[in-house]
Amino acid sequence: AQSVTQPDIHITVSEGASLELRCNYSYGATPYLFWYVQSPGQGLQLLLKYFSGDTLVQGIKGFEAEFKRSQSSFNLRKPSVHWSDADEYFCAVGEVKLSFGAGTTVTVRA
Amino acid sequence: NAGVMQNPRHLVRRRGQEARLRCSPMKGHSHVYWYRQLPEEGLKFMVYLQKENIIDESGMPKERFSAEFPKEGPSILRIQQVVRGDSAAYFCASSPGTPSEAFFGQGTRLTVV
Repeated sequence: AQSVTQPDIHITVSEGASLELRCNYSYGATPYLFWYVQSPGQGLQLLLKYFSGDTLVQGIKGFEAEFKRSQSSFNLRKPSVHWSDADEYFCAVGEVKLSFGAGTTVTVRA
Repeated sequence: NAGVMQNPRHLVRRRGQEARLRCSPMKGHSHVYWYRQLPEEGLKFMVYLQKENIIDESGMPKERFSAEFPKEGPSILRIQQVVRGDSAAYFCASSPGTPSEAFFGQGTRLTVV
């Protein structure tokens, strides 16, 4: 069975500081991994995805994620956060139907 | 190219009524997925459809819920005899094939009073 764990429910970070959101997955084969961002009352926007190849994936809005098979992880990073990055972030795994983590809410303080 | 369109955005139903949620996939996408998001939770898969076929409904409650994606027109998620526990955000996503990234709509927020 496929599943995703996002250990951090809420993270607060200062504007300009670096951000790392953790994601651990369980999947029987080569995983298809995604990070989505959701603003309040809105749908989900894809930040980046990993299907195969280079384990460091670049996405939109300056985000990147690194796939580590040995750790079953797909952590999301951003070197310098902006106030507009305050949102909820979801990690997902799946080839057809996606399994989502519970999400991490990011608060950015000035 | 318009994105995934869902309507209505907000729906209020009294207990026992029926709720119909509509989803028009992105142009060129023949795969449609429905997910439900309960408050403070991530999205949970409900059903995967292609035109005129239900491919995987393993996440659908056994009773009161049904989905279709007809040859013409949008995909419909139908909830009969709604109960308070059905209150949630329902998201539709579409993709051109599998595996592929899924594009999500804005969601329909159902409130049962």
